[in-house]
Amino acid sequence: QQKVQQSPESLIVPEGAMTSLNCTFSDSASQYFAWYRQHSGKAPKALMSIFSNGEKEEGRFTIHLNKASLHFSLHIRDSQPSDSALYLCAVSRGSNMGYKLTFGTGTSLLVDP
Amino acid sequence: EAAVTQSPRNKVAVTGGKVTLSCNQTNNHNNMYWYRQDTGHGLRLIHYSYGAGSTEKGDIPDGYKASRPSQENFSLILELATPSQTSVYFCASGDARWGGYEQYFGPGTRLTVL
Repeated sequence: QQKVQQSPESLIVPEGAMTSLNCTFSDSASQYFAWYRQHSGKAPKALMSIFSNGEKEEGRFTIHLNKASLHFSLHIRDSQPSDSALYLCAVSRGSNMGYKLTFGTGTSLLVDP
Repeated sequence: EAAVTQSPRNKVAVTGGKVTLSCNQTNNHNNMYWYRQDTGHGLRLIHYSYGAGSTEKGDIPDGYKASRPSQENFSLILELATPSQTSVYFCASGDARWGGYEQYFGPGTRLTVL
């Protein structure tokens, strides 16, 4: 069974700082890698995802994937108080498994204004 | 924006009672999912469905049943509720489109089993 682990468990950063969140997975056949963000008391919402090794940037957010290391990460440039939330990474084998996602336990981020 | 709704939003049940959680999506997505979220465990998949009439076991299916009578509706059934099933339950729908994939979550149901 897929194991997904996140680090750190929690993080406090000053406004404007770069934030880095990490996710490791156990299944080398994984094909889809995503980050979801969940504000307190709300539903998780997809932030960004990647299929291929390398890097993908969307605005202040960048995702890095290294399949050989079974690791991917999320980097938030110029962190804002509105970025304070629980960040969940998710992994899937892809369409042949109905995009069944396995989530990590989350990193709680607080951006201090 | 894709829409997923859940009912009820809050539920208090007694041990041994039957509980049905309902989910409706208007996205015309084939895949639907039920998760529970507990502190320290993240989101854990209970059951999922590829389409009307299909249900599949997720990672923690024991004590739960699921029903997908139509493309839009997906229910989670606790036949004999136990206090260990106290949790927040999320429904989601998703599909692969335009080279990408995303799951859209409902607002959640907070279930307390006394």
